[in-house]
Amino acid sequence: AQSVTQLDSHVSVSEGTPVLLRCNYSSSYSPSLFWYVQHPNKGLQLLLKYTSAATLVKGINGFEAEFKKSETSFHLTKPSAHMSDAAEYFCAGGVNRDDKIIFGKGTRLHILP
Amino acid sequence: DGGITQSPKYLFRKEGQNVTLSCEQNLNHDAMYWYRQDPGQGLRLIYYSQIVNDFQKGDIAEGYSVSREKKESFPLTVTSAQKNPTAFYLCASSMRSGSGANVLTFGAGSRLTVL
Repeated sequence: AQSVTQLDSHVSVSEGTPVLLRCNYSSSYSPSLFWYVQHPNKGLQLLLKYTSAATLVKGINGFEAEFKKSETSFHLTKPSAHMSDAAEYFCAGGVNRDDKIIFGKGTRLHILP
Repeated sequence: DGGITQSPKYLFRKEGQNVTLSCEQNLNHDAMYWYRQDPGQGLRLIYYSQIVNDFQKGDIAEGYSVSREKKESFPLTVTSAQKNPTAFYLCASSMRSGSGANVLTFGAGSRLTVL
């Protein structure tokens, strides 16, 4: 069985400071892991995807995530937050192409001026 | 532009009525999915379909029905048996290719409110 856990439901950071959104996963097999972003009343947009080619994955808008097998983590980071980063972020995972994708419950990121 | 179109964007329903949410994609994707989103609960899978004329129940299929008669279309019916249908519904699609789980492309969502 697999699961995805986002450790924080809300994160607040000041503009210009680093962002850290935490995600842990549980899987019996090597997973594919994703981060998606959702702005209010919109669909989800892919930020980045991990598929075992490289443990550090770079995504759009300056975000990146590192896959750490020993810690079963896939945390999302950005060196400097921008007001436009305020949104809800979802970590998700699956194993193979016919698997359903499992989503975490989301982390709402607030950017303080 | 290729993408997924969901309609209507907002829908109001009286208790006891069935409603159908439309999802159309022009991405030539094989697989399509319906998710329900409630505040603080993330996305929960209702139904998914890997190929035409075939679909599987997700985690919360009770009170919902789907069909997949065409590759580009995957409508979702919310029936009167769904006890708490007020939610934001998201349709997604993906290619079935390569190894590992596939990237999902999402529509803009449909917000259903039961009066």
